[in-house]
Amino acid sequence: EAGVTQSPTHLIKTRGQQATLRCSPISGHTSVYWYQQALGLGLQFLLWYDEGEERNRGNFPPRFSGRQFPNYSSELNVNALELEDSALYLCASSLVGLAGGRSYNEQFFGPGTRLTVL
Amino acid sequence: KQEVTQIPAALSVPEGENLVLNCSFTDSAIYNLQWFRQDPGKGLTSLLLIQSSQREQTSGRLNASLDKSSGRSTLYIAASQPGDSATYLCAVRPPDTGTASKLTFGTGTRLQVTL
Repeated sequence: EAGVTQSPTHLIKTRGQQATLRCSPISGHTSVYWYQQALGLGLQFLLWYDEGEERNRGNFPPRFSGRQFPNYSSELNVNALELEDSALYLCASSLVGLAGGRSYNEQFFGPGTRLTVL
Repeated sequence: KQEVTQIPAALSVPEGENLVLNCSFTDSAIYNLQWFRQDPGKGLTSLLLIQSSQREQTSGRLNASLDKSSGRSTLYIAASQPGDSATYLCAVRPPDTGTASKLTFGTGTRLQVTL
């Protein structure tokens, strides 16, 4: 079974540009989560999508946005890039989002996209 | 606000030693706790998940325990190997209220197993 995939592996942008990061969840998973891992700051929750809708977002400015497509893949968009946006962006997926029913809600992570803003 | 702390921040042990990594969290109202490993510059690999109703989980040489009331979890690694060298992260998930499915991560323990 294929795991969570992310593209591109690396992305280099200049300040003020826009970046688009992509994530494909494990087949059958409906929830997708985005996390930012900046140097020295640890892993911070960014966004959670389930069944095509944004369910929760972390403490990030509105220029961080995204969407989830009908096939449950997801995009993270970062507008007006700033130097401090340089980080490893990790995507995770899980089987259950809002609905209960299943006991286990384990999140499985992709390899990440390394975004460098110059 | 949930805060997760991991001690020690870094650990170096000789091959073959048994070791314990610690994770503490401030809010005991959690849904589950996950342990991950992260190799440098890479994504996260899920090691173990413990539901709030469970006390421990085992996978191979790894054993994770959870004491929810005291806000603590430990990851025990038996007979450590150089391949175990990585950063180990714990993360807690709040009760599934429908709007709070995010994980709160600890700061990590960087483990080096030497020959």
